[in-house]
Amino acid sequence: GDSVTQMEGPVTLSEEAFLTINCTYTATGYPSLFWYVQYPGEGLQLLLKATKADDKGSNKGFEATYRKETTSFHLEKGSVQVSDSAVYFCALRGVGSGYSTLTFGKGTMLLVSP
Amino acid sequence: EPEVTQTPSHQVTQMGQEVILRCVPISNHLYFYWYRQILGQKVEFLVSFYNNEISEKSEIFDDQFSVERPDGSNFTLKIRSTKLEDSAMYFCASRGTGGELGYTFGSGTRLTVV
Repeated sequence: GDSVTQMEGPVTLSEEAFLTINCTYTATGYPSLFWYVQYPGEGLQLLLKATKADDKGSNKGFEATYRKETTSFHLEKGSVQVSDSAVYFCALRGVGSGYSTLTFGKGTMLLVSP
Repeated sequence: EPEVTQTPSHQVTQMGQEVILRCVPISNHLYFYWYRQILGQKVEFLVSFYNNEISEKSEIFDDQFSVERPDGSNFTLKIRSTKLEDSAMYFCASRGTGGELGYTFGSGTRLTVV
């Protein structure tokens, strides 16, 4: 079945550092790929998405490129801020999911210090 | 901005007791979901609900679980006889007809079974 693997956290960075959170997936065909973010005490929020190979999703300075050849969707940001501290979830929607169910990774906590 | 509201935010219950987790989806949404995350593990799909019936469910969603939309606004998840391994964060989500962009999660209910 479909699966998503994310790097273990927490990831601890200083403000303005470069961020990469790795995500790889296993799925048949061409799934849609997502990054969700959960700030403390809040729900899961869609951060960005990509629906086909070589698509780049971007939002709030974050980017991720759908790499079919490496089955990856790594999240990057050039300069993190303290306010980016949150848990980040990589997810996919499989080709056969008629009701848009999502398969998530375990989540990666990001801690940014001033 | 419309929200999905979940109550309570944290519930502690004794093993074998019944619990009901409550969710108020966004009013014009048509698709409803429950996901859960056991501490340190992946966010897992439990069930989807559309047109007043279950549309899809995972292997986790066994006879101990049930969902209901009793009054056109609430969407509930019932666990009939809780087990220790049911301890998790439970997320409700709803979606309109806008595909993934319309997928809105609540902030979750942390269920602790003792």
